[in-house]
Amino acid sequence: QMQLQESGPGLVKPSATLSLTCIVSGGSITSDTYYWGWIRQPPGKGLQWIGSVYYSASTVYNPSFKSRATMSVDTSKNQFSLSLNSVTAADTAVYFCARVMIVVLEGGDFIDLWGQGMLVTVSS
Amino acid sequence: QSVLTQPPSASGTPGQRVTISCSGSSSNIGSNTVNWYQQLPGRAPTLLMFRNSLRPSGVPDRFSGSKSGTSAALAISGLQSEDETDYYCAAWDDSLNGVVFGGGTKLTVL
Repeated sequence: QMQLQESGPGLVKPSATLSLTCIVSGGSITSDTYYWGWIRQPPGKGLQWIGSVYYSASTVYNPSFKSRATMSVDTSKNQFSLSLNSVTAADTAVYFCARVMIVVLEGGDFIDLWGQGMLVTVSS
Repeated sequence: QSVLTQPPSASGTPGQRVTISCSGSSSNIGSNTVNWYQQLPGRAPTLLMFRNSLRPSGVPDRFSGSKSGTSAALAISGLQSEDETDYYCAAWDDSLNGVVFGGGTKLTVL
């Protein structure tokens, strides 16, 4: 059964770059059934979609992140990554990586599997 | 400010039926299916309902989902103490080209 696991620094300084990696185990990242996404949840708040990346390295980002976000995929390591630059305290959140199921029929793709999440705190 | 609108809280007594609503717009719920997630404290969300009313394996049939127009609802019948947690609705948004979420509903079992 596939599992996702986030890794990276838990503390990032203001104006620096937040970098996280999601390791995919129990299955291949090069699937035509899924692609991969990042979502965050500020403390005590709701969920926010950051963007997605296909194994082909094609990406789509939430405009709210105004080109601060960059996603990539490393098929040789079966993992994908998120970088978010120029961070501020408002970027403090639990960051989740996720698997997004492709829906061939009408209805829209959806997240069917989440990583456990990683708290990233932006502070000097 | 979440794109989808959910009540911040809901409550019921054991055995009761509770409904959580989720409202959106034509670019998300109006043109795509709705998915629901359950999030236990300190844990990642898990898929509870997909494509409006389908339950993943292992989800009890006490949980049901529906959609009409730009709104959706999650119903929980035979409420149990273990159901006390947070619930989020989500849907694909054609304008964002991504997933949008509700703000979450905290369910309390009295």
